[in-house]
Amino acid sequence: GENVEQHPSTLSVQEGDSAVIKCTYSDSASNYFPWYKQELGKGPQLIIDIRSNVGEKKDQRIAVTLNKTAKHFSLHITETQPEDSAVYFCAARSMEYGNKLVFGAGTILRVKS
Amino acid sequence: DSGVTQTPKHLITATGQRVTLRCSPRSGDLSVYWYQQSLDQGLQFLIQYYNGEERAKGNILERFSAQQFPDLHSELNLSSLELGDSALYFCASSPGTGVYGYTFGSGTRLTVV
Repeated sequence: GENVEQHPSTLSVQEGDSAVIKCTYSDSASNYFPWYKQELGKGPQLIIDIRSNVGEKKDQRIAVTLNKTAKHFSLHITETQPEDSAVYFCAARSMEYGNKLVFGAGTILRVKS
Repeated sequence: DSGVTQTPKHLITATGQRVTLRCSPRSGDLSVYWYQQSLDQGLQFLIQYYNGEERAKGNILERFSAQQFPDLHSELNLSSLELGDSALYFCASSPGTGVYGYTFGSGTRLTVV
């Protein structure tokens, strides 16, 4: 089955700097890679996603890149703000029956002001 | 409000007991997913239902069971509870079984004492 590894587990950046979180997946047939942000006491919220036929996608300060050959994808947050502090999860769609997402272990992002 | 409703928000119960967690998916979504989130395990997939039928199963214990009703709400039943079952339980929904992101509820925090 699909396996997703996520790095780093914690990341501290200064306000205004960029943050990059990286994930690798194991199933070369996976075709959908979403990123979720989880704030304290809340459920994960979808912030951006990318499909396997696209190499990069941007939404304001957030971008995701996908390298299918290397089987890795990354989340880039530019001009970080204190409200970006949260836990970020990457995920990959399992090609087993259904639409199961397999999640990485999460990255705690702290933006220091 | 994500549109996915989970009740109760908090649950404290004793070992050996049985509890039922409830989830109402976002309007129009036919798929419901259950995930367990504990500190050292991240988001672990338990089970998926689509339009009343089980579609995919993850690392769900035999003591746990779920179902999706004709009105599409879902219930996760946890029995013979152990201390290690203490965790956040999330329900998510999506329109179908295709390539979709999930919408998560705010979770039920289960504490077994």
